[in-house]
Amino acid sequence: QSVLTQPPSVSEAPRQRVTISCSGSTSNIGNNAVNWYQQLPGKAPKLLIHYDDLLPSGVSDRFSGSKSGTSASLAISGLQSEDEADYYCAAWDDSLSGWVFGGGTKLTVL
Amino acid sequence: EVQLLESGGGLVQPGGSLRLSCAASGFTFNSYAMNWVRQVPGKGLEWVSGISGSGGSTYYADSVKGRFTISRDYSKNTLHLEMNSLRAEDTAIYYCAKDLSGVVGASGVGSWGQGTLVTVSS
Repeated sequence: QSVLTQPPSVSEAPRQRVTISCSGSTSNIGNNAVNWYQQLPGKAPKLLIHYDDLLPSGVSDRFSGSKSGTSASLAISGLQSEDEADYYCAAWDDSLSGWVFGGGTKLTVL
Repeated sequence: EVQLLESGGGLVQPGGSLRLSCAASGFTFNSYAMNWVRQVPGKGLEWVSGISGSGGSTYYADSVKGRFTISRDYSKNTLHLEMNSLRAEDTAIYYCAKDLSGVVGASGVGSWGQGTLVTVSS
């Protein structure tokens, strides 16, 4: 069981918008920044969002992040087939003194 | 361009030991914290260990504390993970990951290697 809670799967049609939630606690999301990662099938994860809502260089602006209290969200607009992947949230946990990840959300573009 | 190349994975018996290495290039090695993150094939990500850019601070997941040791060799720009008393549940792909800052926990993982598979089985 992961410290951060994500829905196991989400699906949406092409060109639509989808959001993926990530729920934590005051020891992690509530007190520290959230990062989001995309993992394409058979590939290593890739940083998508850092410091809650910042896009690294080269990441499409169709991706956006937000945070409120002990929850965070990743939004993907203008869905494309190549967005099909697993998405993970992560945050530092002050109580565990370690990084914690969500269980991952599998995105299917219908 | 940041490059992280892991090596050292393989098949090991329960109770055995293995040393993973990660050759880093494309950035100033001593300026960034480094981490190991593992993933059981088909499952989620689990952070294993992190070490600060200076090497003065190390952190471990409870699941590996006392069995794994993280270290870094600045002369060779290489990160290591010494794994002892291996268990079947340690079977996973181990990723070497460069932090966004020199402090573990401050920013998060920015770049990932391609991973090396560790299989613990008799």
